[in-house]
Amino acid sequence: GAGVSQSPRYKVAKRGQDVALRCDPISGHVSLFWYQQALGQGPEFLTYFQNEAQLDKSGLPSDRFFAERPEGSVSTLKIQRTQQEDSAVYLCASSLAETGRHEQYFGPGTRLTVT
Amino acid sequence: DAKTTQPPSMDCAEGRAANLPCNHSTISGNEYVYWYRQIHSQGPQYIIHGLKNNETNEMASLIITEDRKSSTLILPHATLRDTAVYYCIVSSFWGSNYKLTFGKGTLLTVNP
Repeated sequence: GAGVSQSPRYKVAKRGQDVALRCDPISGHVSLFWYQQALGQGPEFLTYFQNEAQLDKSGLPSDRFFAERPEGSVSTLKIQRTQQEDSAVYLCASSLAETGRHEQYFGPGTRLTVT
Repeated sequence: DAKTTQPPSMDCAEGRAANLPCNHSTISGNEYVYWYRQIHSQGPQYIIHGLKNNETNEMASLIITEDRKSSTLILPHATLRDTAVYYCIVSSFWGSNYKLTFGKGTLLTVNP
């Protein structure tokens, strides 16, 4: 069956541009997560949705980062006025249940390069 | 504030068992041990998890010591496709512990 998909797979943005990264979770999955992975590091938590509700956004590094999941399925991570330190792989994951009870399924990520 | 400690890298010969250790000496009673792996240019992939009993699935076996302060992930017959970074994570099912806190993991290189 279809897994988690993300688009675009690669994005190059000039410093100061806004970007939008899309995540299509596995159908029926209640929970959706965004992680940021810098080069050579493990993924770091950004934000968590349970259906359309954003229950935790404690990992978002600044108010330039905004995420939404308006209908409880597709999610978009938006970064405004991108800066070089935003260069990273952005990973989306979904999970069947509303807690960490079940494993998380990850997409392939979007590699963002800010020049 | 890392909850787990793993060696940065390991090597294994193709066809042999790969044994990846993880120390989690501060694990609490309601925390599970999860293992994920990340093949180059892909997202992390769930492998297995356990609480206190040993677990086995089609991918791997997880051996947890009786005091639960350490565990070992075993890939019984490693292949070249098992070359990846392996992450050991402790997390509970309760409260706000839904997020996965990754460390740097162990880079396992399977050699022909």
